[in-house]
Amino acid sequence: AAGVIQSPRHLIKEKRETATLKCYPIPRHDTVYWYQQGPGQDPQFLISFYEKMQSDKGSIPDRFSAQQFSDYHSELNMSSLELGDSALYFCASSLGTSGTSYNEQFFGPGTRLTVL
Amino acid sequence: AQSVAQPEDQVNVAEGNPLTVKCTYSVSGNPYLFWYVQYPNRGLQFLLKYITGDNLVKGSYGFEAEFNKSQTSFHLKKPSALVSDSALYFCAVRRVTGFQKLVFGTGTRLLVSP
Repeated sequence: AAGVIQSPRHLIKEKRETATLKCYPIPRHDTVYWYQQGPGQDPQFLISFYEKMQSDKGSIPDRFSAQQFSDYHSELNMSSLELGDSALYFCASSLGTSGTSYNEQFFGPGTRLTVL
Repeated sequence: AQSVAQPEDQVNVAEGNPLTVKCTYSVSGNPYLFWYVQYPNRGLQFLLKYITGDNLVKGSYGFEAEFNKSQTSFHLKKPSALVSDSALYFCAVRRVTGFQKLVFGTGTRLLVSP
């Protein structure tokens, strides 16, 4: 079965550079979530999109922005990178609405970002 | 606000023995509870979920979880542990209605010894 695809899998950047992470949800899934997992930490919710509109926002820095495109893939743009941005970034997708939904989130393999 | 507590950083169990990984939660309204497993350098893999109904939920790879509303707990269990079960386990909660972000616990590392 098709899974969530994330690219790139690994990314190394210098401080103050920019990075773009991409997420391709499971076919027919209309909701995308981004999570950040720091070393030895639990995943923290960043932002989510439903039908190309932002549906919820968590602890996402102002330096980061994201969007969901017409084909439902999503991109997380990160600017002015800092050492503390080094983490594993997960994308998850689900089929659901902003109302009641019992559908679980399926996670991609993650993008490991290292900021030097 | 939702929150999840996993009181044990690590659980050690011998292969063939039963295992329990503890989780307690706090959420306004009805909870929607999950267990995910993470292997080294891998993504989060869905194990099981509880929405409503039977308090004992069966999931993948022989895992099950018991929902206890009065104790606000959702402990993960397996009758007979395998060495290959060694991984990091996350409990997560979200509200049934409204926005769907998951709130994770801090994770419990399960180590199954041969």
